[in-house]
Amino acid sequence: AQSVTQPDIHITVSEGASLELRCNYSYGATPYLFWYVQSPGQGLQLLLKYFSGDTLVQGIKGFEAEFKRSQSSFNLRKPSVHWSDAAEYFCAVGAVQAAGNKLTFGGGTRVLVKP
Amino acid sequence: KAGVTQTPRYLIKTRGQQVTLSCSPISGHRSVSWYQQTPGQGLQFLFEYFSETQRNKGNFPGRFSGRQFSNSRSEMNVSTLELGDSALYLCASSGVSNTEAFFGQGTRLTVV
Repeated sequence: AQSVTQPDIHITVSEGASLELRCNYSYGATPYLFWYVQSPGQGLQLLLKYFSGDTLVQGIKGFEAEFKRSQSSFNLRKPSVHWSDAAEYFCAVGAVQAAGNKLTFGGGTRVLVKP
Repeated sequence: KAGVTQTPRYLIKTRGQQVTLSCSPISGHRSVSWYQQTPGQGLQFLFEYFSETQRNKGNFPGRFSGRQFSNSRSEMNVSTLELGDSALYLCASSGVSNTEAFFGQGTRLTVV
């Protein structure tokens, strides 16, 4: 069965500092991997996705993620955090043939940005 | 292009009642999935409908059901509500490629 682990429940970062959120997955084959962001009381917004090819994926809002098969990881990074990045971030894995239809999510990492 | 629309946004129900939530997918999307989000269990997949047929199902009791109409709009129903059903219910739609899910704002259900 597929699973996703986000080891950090909370992360506090200063505005302008870099941010890295960890994600480890378990999947039987090559997965489709996603990062979503959720602001309080809102739905999920897709930041970026990895299907195949270049292991460094660029997303919206200045985010990027790197797929490392050997480590079963898909960590999210941002070089310089803005106060508006305070939110909860979810890593997810989907089946290759129908990734958008049934996602397995990690527990989420809540990011707090200090001024 | 309009996004995924969920109605209502907020709902308060009494234990034992039933509730119906609605989801209108992005135009042209035929797949609709439902997720439950709670502080304790996180985001959990409920079920997915494609062309009016349930194609995938998560590990939820039979009190949770859904359906999809010919215009791809979907409803989910929860019968005999329990306090533990209080959650944010999210709907997502996917297009032909099935490789990306677009989420609605969710319906916040509170069971008292």
